[in-house]
Amino acid sequence: DIVMTQTPLSLSVTPGQPASISCKSSESLLHTDGKTYLNWYLQRPGQSPQLLIYEVSKRFSGVPDRFSGSGSGTDFTLKISRVEADDVGVYYCMESIELPWTFGQGSKVEIK
Amino acid sequence: EMQLVESGGNLVQPGGSLRLSCAASGFTFSSYSMNWVRQAPGKGLEWVSYINNIGSGKDYADSVKGRFTISRDNAKNSLYLQMNSLRAEDTAIYYCVRKMKNWGQGTLVTVSS
Repeated sequence: DIVMTQTPLSLSVTPGQPASISCKSSESLLHTDGKTYLNWYLQRPGQSPQLLIYEVSKRFSGVPDRFSGSGSGTDFTLKISRVEADDVGVYYCMESIELPWTFGQGSKVEIK
Repeated sequence: EMQLVESGGNLVQPGGSLRLSCAASGFTFSSYSMNWVRQAPGKGLEWVSYINNIGSGKDYADSVKGRFTISRDNAKNSLYLQMNSLRAEDTAIYYCVRKMKNWGQGTLVTVSS
């Protein structure tokens, strides 16, 4: 199974400041179809997870453009350009190149 | 508006069985693959099972293989998870997820004596 490793596991951010979370996979997520299958999710407190980014950098419907994803192969990054209070929660990366799909441990974002 | 509504979660004794359901609406259910993902209390996310849009392709996490069975009824716009030989470690919120993009609100399964 592919192992997904996120860093940091927690971060405290001042509103208006940027934040960044790293996700590394134990194998390349580049598929033979040319796509790279890496998703990012946010789980706000008490809520279901919601998709933010798919295929590394594509924002899902309704996701603000302050969220961006980048990376390739085995190294990926989620960036929030200006953190807002509504961004509090746990962020997960997930690979979907091959079953069983696996998630990172989660990175908890808090507001200072 | 698309909706996924899970039901069937309950308190069950170890070794018992439970059947979860997910009612889909607001989209063409038969066009999408579906998944179950779970989250143990205070823990991270774990993918549990996958089924393709016509039900011919299925897969399971090793932790549930041989005990859980995923199925769907496209005529009823419904997804199911039959859970047998339940263990304490199966205690979790179970989410129905469309194509790993859209999530339901989850249903809580508690396995305890």
